Amino acid sequence: EVQLLESGGNLVQPGGSLRLSCAASGFTFSSYAMNWVRQAPGKGLEWVSLIGGSGGSTYYADSVKGRLIISRDNSKNILYLQMNSLRAEDTALYYCAKRMSGGPQAFDFWGQGTMVTVSS
Amino acid sequence: EIVLTQSPGTLSLSPGERATLSCRASQSVISTYLAWYQLKPGQAPRLLIYGASSRATGIPDRFSGSGSGTDFTLTISRLEPEDFAVYYCQQYGSSKYTFGQGTKLEIK
Repeated sequence: EVQLLESGGNLVQPGGSLRLSCAASGFTFSSYAMNWVRQAPGKGLEWVSLIGGSGGSTYYADSVKGRLIISRDNSKNILYLQMNSLRAEDTALYYCAKRMSGGPQAFDFWGQGTMVTVSS
Repeated sequence: EIVLTQSPGTLSLSPGERATLSCRASQSVISTYLAWYQLKPGQAPRLLIYGASSRATGIPDRFSGSGSGTDFTLTISRLEPEDFAVYYCQQYGSSKYTFGQGTKLEIK
């Protein structure tokens, strides 16, 4: 059974840093691209970042480029999101999501999310 | 960047009725790259449809997807009580993903 468990969310001041983790199990982690997707309170879903299976390729939404860094440790089956220079607009529930293999660019499994609040 | 516009914003229907949700793209979307998700409070998002019309594993056949180019539709043939939720379409293009703003399906 595929499981994704996010952790690391917290209350942080503007300009601060935080690292989110997503522990994966139930599939060959290194074979799949992984994503972070967020949902601000009362808002819709927003894609944040993608990392390829080997970790060699990364992509970011324009809203987070240069501040958030995605990475992975395939030996531990963990996905990370290093969040720097945090802003109030980064306040959201952050989900990790596994991308399907092959052509479809859909996310077939998601975690329950971890909450990040940026406020003074 | 391709913008996805979902309509209606809110859809009020009764169990047993048919629901039709629309997703319109600002530019043509490759059908392979169009997906639909269901989101309920306190739960992980659930993939319903990928490739515009293929049901994900375990999704009941009352859910169906159709469309091409800039116009896509999610249809729920006969609403069950557990189907009342928020639905999002998603597309991939130019190494980025975008979601529509969502359609809330509520009990009438």
